[in-house]
Amino acid sequence: GNSVTQMEGPVTLSEEAFLTINCTYTATGYPSLFWYVQYPGEGLQLLLKATKADDKGSNKGFEATYRKETTSFHLEKGSVQVSDSAVYFCALRRQLTFGSGTQLTVLP
Amino acid sequence: GAVVSQHPSRVICKSGTSVKIECRSLDFQATTMFWYRQFPKQSLMLMATSNEGSKATYEQGVEKDKFLINHASLTLSTLTVTSAHPEDSSFYICSASDRIGNQPQHFGDGTRLSIL
Repeated sequence: GNSVTQMEGPVTLSEEAFLTINCTYTATGYPSLFWYVQYPGEGLQLLLKATKADDKGSNKGFEATYRKETTSFHLEKGSVQVSDSAVYFCALRRQLTFGSGTQLTVLP
Repeated sequence: GAVVSQHPSRVICKSGTSVKIECRSLDFQATTMFWYRQFPKQSLMLMATSNEGSKATYEQGVEKDKFLINHASLTLSTLTVTSAHPEDSSFYICSASDRIGNQPQHFGDGTRLSIL
């Protein structure tokens, strides 16, 4: 079956630090991959997506590249801000299978 | 962009009460809606998938008589937690999709359910 393995948190960084949150998946075929962000007390918002191998999704300074050879979709941002503090979920397919979520806290 | 409205955002009620949560797609036709449950500091667990006009498909371990799902139109799905007990307290999130295939879902803001 489908599964998503996500880097365990929590992750605490200083403002302007480089962020990487690892995500690997197991699935048949070539599923679409997504990163969602959840701010405290809210639902999920789509952050970015990639639908095929070597696609790079990007939004708000965040990027992730669909790597078929390593079955990975790691989330990166070159310089995080305090406002990026949230829980980040990696997910695959339309009927989403979620990773466990990574709590990110950015300190000023 | 597409918007999904979930109501109510918070419910506090006594044990034994049935609670209905609504999920509406505001500017698109949602052929499929999903209901998730999220425990504190944990990921989302898919409870069921509902397609307009047909019975919901429940995930293993989810009691269909406990969590009644109705998807009567292309813009509305409801989740009713019947005879709720404290262990049903959780954050419930709905999402909707307007296409077949690997398209992203649009999420509601969630409902915090607290059973006393």
